[in-house]
Amino acid sequence: GAVVSQHPSRVICKSGTSVKIECRSLDFQATTMFWYRQFPKQSLMLMATSNEGSKATYEQGVEKDKFLINHASLTLSTLTVTSAHPEDSSFYICSARDSTGGPKDTQYFGPGTRLTVL
Amino acid sequence: AQKITQTQPGMFVQEKEAVTLDCTYDTSDPSYGLFWYKQPSSGEMIFLIYQGSYDQQNATEGRYSLNFQKARKSANLVISASQLGDSAMYFCAMREGTRYSTLTFGKGTMLLVSP
Repeated sequence: GAVVSQHPSRVICKSGTSVKIECRSLDFQATTMFWYRQFPKQSLMLMATSNEGSKATYEQGVEKDKFLINHASLTLSTLTVTSAHPEDSSFYICSARDSTGGPKDTQYFGPGTRLTVL
Repeated sequence: AQKITQTQPGMFVQEKEAVTLDCTYDTSDPSYGLFWYKQPSSGEMIFLIYQGSYDQQNATEGRYSLNFQKARKSANLVISASQLGDSAMYFCAMREGTRYSTLTFGKGTMLLVSP
C-alpha cells in the first residue's frame, strides 16, 4: 500500500518550453500533496503544498507563476515548470500525505523526475 | 538554528554489523513527529520509521529501530545486521505541531555498506 507514482521519470527539454510533471497516489486518497526540489548531494527543499480543490501554498522564494501547481483530484497533482531555463534543471519529487494513516500522517514519496533543460 | 541536524555526512559499516545514524532536532512544540527516509541512488524516498513525541516506546520496524531520547532531542536510527542494499542516503525529518504541518529534512547521511 501507500504507493505514489510520478511521471515522467526523466525529461529533457529545450530552454523556453514548459514541462508538466504528474504525481498520483495509487492506492489512497491524498487531500494534500507536496512538491520538493533536490539539487545533487543536497537535501530536499519544499517548494509548495498542494491542496485538493484549492490554491497551492508556495514556500518563500518559489515563483508561483513559474511553477504552476494543480491538484484537481484526490489522487492527482501536477507541477508545470513554465518557460524552463537551464537553472531549473533539478530533481523534482512529489509526496502525498496519507491522511487516513492515523497519528503518523506519513508522507509517501514518488520516484522523482529528473529535469534537464538544455 | 537548524531544526534537524545530521552531523555525519558519511558512514561506513561492514555487512552484518549494526550502525547508528545520528539525528538531533530542535523544536519548542510539545507535539511533533520524527521520520527517517532512505534514498538510494535511484532517487526515490523510502519511508522507514516514525516516532511520535508522545510515544512511550522506541519505534521499531524490522531491522530498523529508533533510539528516541526526548530530553536530549535526539532520534538516532539504528540499522541492525547491515546489508549491501542498505547503502544509500538517509534523511531524518520532523513534523511539528498538527498533523497538517510540513516536513523539515536534515542534510542527510550517506551510508556505505562493504562486504
